[in-house]
Amino acid sequence: NAGVTQTPKFQVLKTGQSMTLQCAQDMNHNSMYWYRQDPGMGLRLIYYSASEGTTDKGEVPNGYNVSRLNKREFSLRLESAAPSQTSVYFCASRQLSGQTYEQYFGPGTRLTVT
Amino acid sequence: AQSVAQPEDQVNVAEGNPLTVKCTYSVSGNPYLFWYVQYPNRGLQFLLKYITGDNLVKGSYGFEAEFNKSQTSFHLKKPSALVSDSALYFCAAYNTDKLIFGTGTRLQVFP
Repeated sequence: NAGVTQTPKFQVLKTGQSMTLQCAQDMNHNSMYWYRQDPGMGLRLIYYSASEGTTDKGEVPNGYNVSRLNKREFSLRLESAAPSQTSVYFCASRQLSGQTYEQYFGPGTRLTVT
Repeated sequence: AQSVAQPEDQVNVAEGNPLTVKCTYSVSGNPYLFWYVQYPNRGLQFLLKYITGDNLVKGSYGFEAEFNKSQTSFHLKKPSALVSDSALYFCAAYNTDKLIFGTGTRLQVFP
């Protein structure tokens, strides 16, 4: 079991460029999440997908779009990158059953926008 | 508004001493609470959770947490700290299919 995987690990973009961050999980989880982590601010939710075919905005969705491609994969797209989107991005997943409320995280993507 | 607070940016403790990392919460209804640990350049790892039942919850790596409803707290504890426990620790609360995270506390354990 690889758990939650993310690609790429690192990326440098120029302002205005676009890119897609990929996330996949092999745990057959229903829900998937995208967070950004910035110093002193903890983790902030960008978008989430409670189940295949649904997506919802989180706390900081502006400048991002998502696609829940299938049950395994959930991608995050930056259409026109801005320096304010320099951050570490984490994908997470969660099984919707019983008292399983915890989420499991990928290793992260470190993005720098110049 | 639902929120989680970690009042200390950093906690320093000598190896072998007990450690406490503090967390308070403000959520409606019954709180479901979690602790995660993040080592440098890694994702978050789940440590333990409180859903219901015993107020003292045991988790991975010898950590435990005490739920206190009257003080709305969920402090992380370990009886004897290790240098390898040095990391960033996050407290979180569940709210309608989402987790609300605190800002994190950096734990430094000195030899």
